[in-house]
Amino acid sequence: NAGVTQTPKFQVLKTGQSMTLQCAQDMNHEYMSWYRQDPGMGLRLIHYSVGAGITDQGEVPNGYNVSRSTTEDFPLRLLSAAPSQTSVYFCASSSGGVISGTGELFFGEGSRLTVL
Amino acid sequence: GEDVEQSLFLSVREGDSSVINCTYTDSSSTYLYWYKQEPGAGLQLLTYIFSNMDMKQDQRLTVLLNKKDKHLSLRIADTQTGDSAIYFCAESVRDSNYQLIWGAGTKLIIKP
Repeated sequence: NAGVTQTPKFQVLKTGQSMTLQCAQDMNHEYMSWYRQDPGMGLRLIHYSVGAGITDQGEVPNGYNVSRSTTEDFPLRLLSAAPSQTSVYFCASSSGGVISGTGELFFGEGSRLTVL
Repeated sequence: GEDVEQSLFLSVREGDSSVINCTYTDSSSTYLYWYKQEPGAGLQLLTYIFSNMDMKQDQRLTVLLNKKDKHLSLRIADTQTGDSAIYFCAESVRDSNYQLIWGAGTKLIIKP
């Protein structure tokens, strides 16, 4: 069972470069989301999607774009990387229960991004 | 705004019980969760409790919820080296469209 797959696992960028973090899930989950994890802080929600064609902003959306053209894929784009975006990024999916408060989030293994 | 707080570190001896504490501020919580993150991995759901429950037990895990004090705890009995991980507390908040509010995580360190 693949679950949630993120690529790449590691990436180093220079300030101003752009890149896309890929996320794919094979569980037919409607809900997908991107978080960033920084030392000493809880996970912070960047963007989320409740289904194909629907996306919404989370707590820290600035500097990031998302799209959801299929149920399976939810890429995160960094438009012009900044050192403040150095972080570990997690993609997570759920069958939709998160919306009603009962669902379990399934996480990818994370993508560690360093911006120089 | 909503806030979830946890101590950053907890050190226990192998075989002892570990108690990881969490406090939250939002009274519209519906579910409260404990997630576990092992080194180099994503988070995995460990257990959860509905906000109208006081306690939930699952094998070595006991979750206690004091809704009056907005305090949640996770007790791990007979702590083993495999329990070494970061434990995140999270609440599902009705007034925030049920998005999860996360604590910073407690790193559990097991001493031999």
